[in-house]
Amino acid sequence: EAGVTQFPSHSVIEKGQTVTLRCDPISGHDNLYWYRRVMGKEIKFLLHFVKESKQDESGMPNNRFLAERTGGTYSTLKVQPAELEDSGVYFCASSQGPGLGLGQYFGPGTRLTVT
Amino acid sequence: QKEVEQDPGPLSVPEGAIVSLNCTYSNSAFQYFMWYRQYSRKGPELLMYTYSSGNKEDGRFTAQVDKSSKYISLFIRDSQPSDSATYLCATFFSGGYNKLIFGAGTRLAVHP
Repeated sequence: EAGVTQFPSHSVIEKGQTVTLRCDPISGHDNLYWYRRVMGKEIKFLLHFVKESKQDESGMPNNRFLAERTGGTYSTLKVQPAELEDSGVYFCASSQGPGLGLGQYFGPGTRLTVT
Repeated sequence: QKEVEQDPGPLSVPEGAIVSLNCTYSNSAFQYFMWYRQYSRKGPELLMYTYSSGNKEDGRFTAQVDKSSKYISLFIRDSQPSDSATYLCATFFSGGYNKLIFGAGTRLAVHP
């Protein structure tokens, strides 16, 4: 069974540009999470989808970040316009059902560098 | 105050050593405590979890929670070079939406 996949693995963009990160969860996993780790800090929650609905987006830093999950399958996270402080590693995780905080499977992450 | 505090290290030990990794947490409502292992360029992978207080053992790994002191520990016996990774403690509010709350992670290097 394929794990959580993320694309691209690494993205380098200039300040002010737009970047879109993609996450493909494990097949059948209705719950999809985005997390971010900025340099020297802990991994922090961004948002949580249940199927195509945003269940919790309390961790989204500001309105430059837009997450979507059309059709309840893969998800995209768009940063527009990117700022220097957006640099970090963006992780996606998925789980099979609600109440399964123990069962979140993580992707390898997308390393975003904003110059 | 951070909800979960973890010393980022790095920690360097010789092969065969016993490793002790630790975290503290601030909210007594936390009940589940996890340890994730993250290899370079990979995502975190769940290693072990405990519920409430007590110990849990899995091979060379033992997870321990002391709720009275809000202290979480992971012990690695007979450490191997393949254990070299970043270890992250984590928790979440059960009954909520299960967003994980991580410590900063401790980078461990086990040298032959």
